[in-house]
Amino acid sequence: GIQVEQSPPDLILQEGANSTLRCNFSDSVNNLQWFHQNPWGQLINLFYIPSGTKQNGRLSATTVATERYSLLYISSSQTTDSGVYFCAVGFNDYKLSFGAGTTVTVRA
Amino acid sequence: DGGITQSPKYLFRKEGQNVTLSCEQNLNHDAMYWYRQDPGQGLRLIYYSQIVNDFQKGDIAEGYSVSREKKESFPLTVTSAQKNPTAFYLCASSMTSGDDFQETQYFGPGTRLLVL
Repeated sequence: GIQVEQSPPDLILQEGANSTLRCNFSDSVNNLQWFHQNPWGQLINLFYIPSGTKQNGRLSATTVATERYSLLYISSSQTTDSGVYFCAVGFNDYKLSFGAGTTVTVRA
Repeated sequence: DGGITQSPKYLFRKEGQNVTLSCEQNLNHDAMYWYRQDPGQGLRLIYYSQIVNDFQKGDIAEGYSVSREKKESFPLTVTSAQKNPTAFYLCASSMTSGDDFQETQYFGPGTRLLVL
């Protein structure tokens, strides 16, 4: 299957800081999604972004499919941004392969 | 409200016992999925189903079984053959819309399974 690597594994931010999370994948994809898992375990879909750039409030994402990576940007971080961010990919199938995640801690 | 429900929130299994985790969705989604998450790790796919009465094994299907008799429901049974079942189990669903496979997955709140 497609291998997914996320970096960094852990990130500690001061409230108000900006950050970039990276997702590298080993093969062609036509499905790429970013998720946020809150401290209670609930996963929320942030972006569906197999290519191009999208923005939603303080979050934005860019996928460069030809170079096999995606970036998630968090601007003006808030304590509610804490949690684990997962990148998941797929190719010609609805099932997804997940990375190990980036754990983000935002301190007040 | 539309969404995905999972029950129970916590489940305790005794050695040699089969247990069933419930997943129900009212989003009218065709596809449903079961994932396992171990502490500090990503999600691994157990089984998925794209249509009623059909399902496929994921990456870690051994020791698990599923059924898809109704569009809304995709229960997961953790059998006694699964030797290390303690984990967080997440159910998801998505639409299926042709050949581009471009559909967002939506997740339920999860079930934590502990072995006594």
